[in-house]
Amino acid sequence: AAGVIQSPRHLIKEKRETATLKCYPIPRHDTVYWYQQGPGQDPQFLISFYEKMQSDKGSIPDRFSAQQFSDYHSELNMSSLELGDSALYFCASSLGVSSYNEQFFGPGTRLTVL
Amino acid sequence: ILNVEQSPQSLHVQEGDSTNFTCSFPSSNFYALHWYRWETAKSPEALFVMTLNGDEKKKGRISATLNTKEGYSYLYIKGSQPEDSATYLCALGVNYGGATNKLIFGTGTLLAVQP
Repeated sequence: AAGVIQSPRHLIKEKRETATLKCYPIPRHDTVYWYQQGPGQDPQFLISFYEKMQSDKGSIPDRFSAQQFSDYHSELNMSSLELGDSALYFCASSLGVSSYNEQFFGPGTRLTVL
Repeated sequence: ILNVEQSPQSLHVQEGDSTNFTCSFPSSNFYALHWYRWETAKSPEALFVMTLNGDEKKKGRISATLNTKEGYSYLYIKGSQPEDSATYLCALGVNYGGATNKLIFGTGTLLAVQP
């Protein structure tokens, strides 16, 4: 069965550079979530999209932006990178918007900012 | 700020032992409780989603119960095997009127099963 795809899997950037992370949800899933997991921390919710519209926002810095495209894939754009942005970034997708719906996670993108 | 807590933080058991861990969460504004199994270098794998007080779910040797009134869920593993070694995460599904739900994760319980 198709799973959530994230690219790239690993990314190394310098401070003040920009990065774009991509997420391809499971086919027919209409909802995408982004989570950030810092070293030794729980995953923290960043932002979510339903039917190409932003639906919820968590602890996402103003330097980050995201969108969901017509094919339902999503991109997380990160600018003016800081050392503290180094983390594992997970994308998850679900069918529908209810809290009861299972979220399926991608393998994550490990971002290292030097 | 909602806080989801898991205990213990880590657990070492012998193959064949049965074990259980706890997830505690605020009982107000409860929508759903998710359990995930997360192996190193892989993405979290959904185990259960529970919504009703008293819910019990089972998948093979793993089962879970839910008490929304007192705000806790237990995950049980019967006859642990080395391949059960992973971090077990619980997550509270919340919805404050946004169009989607988001998950608030606990800190996880790291299970190591020794042969």
